[in-house]
Amino acid sequence: LAKTTQPISMDSYEGQEVNITCSHNNIATNDYITWYQQFPSQGPRFIIQGYKTKVTNEVASLFIPADRKSSTLSLPRVSLSDTAVYYCLVGSGNTPLVFGKGTRLSVIA
Amino acid sequence: DTEVTQTPKHLVMGMTNKKSLKCEQHMGHRAMYWYKQKAKKPPELMFVYSYEKLSINESVPSRFSPECPNSSLLNLHLHALQPEDSALYLCASSQGQIGPGYGYTFGSGTRLTVV
Repeated sequence: LAKTTQPISMDSYEGQEVNITCSHNNIATNDYITWYQQFPSQGPRFIIQGYKTKVTNEVASLFIPADRKSSTLSLPRVSLSDTAVYYCLVGSGNTPLVFGKGTRLSVIA
Repeated sequence: DTEVTQTPKHLVMGMTNKKSLKCEQHMGHRAMYWYKQKAKKPPELMFVYSYEKLSINESVPSRFSPECPNSSLLNLHLHALQPEDSALYLCASSQGQIGPGYGYTFGSGTRLTVV
């Protein structure tokens, strides 16, 4: 699996847009980029997945530049309930999810 | 049904006890996983079952014994655990393939305390 690098933590005020960038320099051609969210004492929850360009769903957007060596998860207008750990994962084929350290997002009122 | 159900939610066991964790899904997923998560750490992969067969064992000590009786059920049998095994144990499932390109559904976990 490609190694990923994310900021350890981020702080944001309520109502702001939050962008979390993930670096994955050795991403392979067949790899997808997937983001999960985890609240304390709960299992991770799938947020969004993409291969290239931009993907948007009701929760977030995922921006992937042409070289695919990084990706940015964008959370619009965060609220206190978005306080969680966000994991970026990269891989494909027959390799299971292996989590990196993730980004601890704290949303402040 | 779009959930992975884990029981029990909390478990306290002595180092000489034998207990089992249970995980169930009815989404027709054919890959199931056990992860272990210590406080403020990311989940660590323990076991992977694909089509009811153990396909990956991440060098987990033998005091942890997984079992997949059918495509909907995954068990983790515990015996002679150590206090450092205390953690949140997470079960997950995904459709036939086990790669990250396929969204995993996680349960809420079993909080295990070994005394």
